[in-house]
Amino acid sequence: AQSVAQPEDQVNVAEGNPLTVKCTYSVSGNPYLFWYVQYPNRGLQFLLKYITGDNLVKGSYGFEAEFNKSQTSFHLKKPSALVSDSALYFCAVRDIGTGFQKLVFGTGTRLLVSP
Amino acid sequence: DAGVTQSPTHLIKTRGQQVTLRCSPKSGHDTVSWYQQALGQGPQFIFQYYEEEERQRGNFPDRFSGHQFPNYSSELNVNALLLGDSALYLCASSSRPATRSGANVLTFGAGSRLTVL
Repeated sequence: AQSVAQPEDQVNVAEGNPLTVKCTYSVSGNPYLFWYVQYPNRGLQFLLKYITGDNLVKGSYGFEAEFNKSQTSFHLKKPSALVSDSALYFCAVRDIGTGFQKLVFGTGTRLLVSP
Repeated sequence: DAGVTQSPTHLIKTRGQQVTLRCSPKSGHDTVSWYQQALGQGPQFIFQYYEEEERQRGNFPDRFSGHQFPNYSSELNVNALLLGDSALYLCASSSRPATRSGANVLTFGAGSRLTVL
């Protein structure tokens, strides 16, 4: 079964510093990986996805993610954090067992950016 | 362009009752999936509808059922509510089911928060 793990419940970073939110995956076959962000009282918003190609994927709001096959990781990064980036971040992997796609999410990492 | 809309936004039920949640997909989308997000957890897949049929189902009991209408909107029904059904229920839409070589981006609604007392 496809799965992802987010080892950190919370990440704290000061505004202006780089941030990393970690995700590791376990899949059979090629991994199709996603990052979503959830703000309070809001649904999940898509940030970026990896299907194939370059290991560095660029997404919305200045976020990027680095795919590392040997370490089975897909870490989310941003060079300079903003207070407004404070939110709950979810890594997800596509599962297409029956030919129809579903997403399997991690448990989430809360990002807190301090002024 | 309206995104995914869900109703109601909040509701409170008691154990044993039944609830119906509604979802209108994003314009141009024809596939609807439902997810349950318990407090402090990631979303868990309930089921997916395409062409008015349930195409895939997660590990949820038969108390959870759904429907998709010809206009692509969808309902999630939960019977015999349990305390453990308290959660945020998220609806997500996409343009069509992904092929094995593709990966569709899901557009999520803001959710319906269900509290079971």
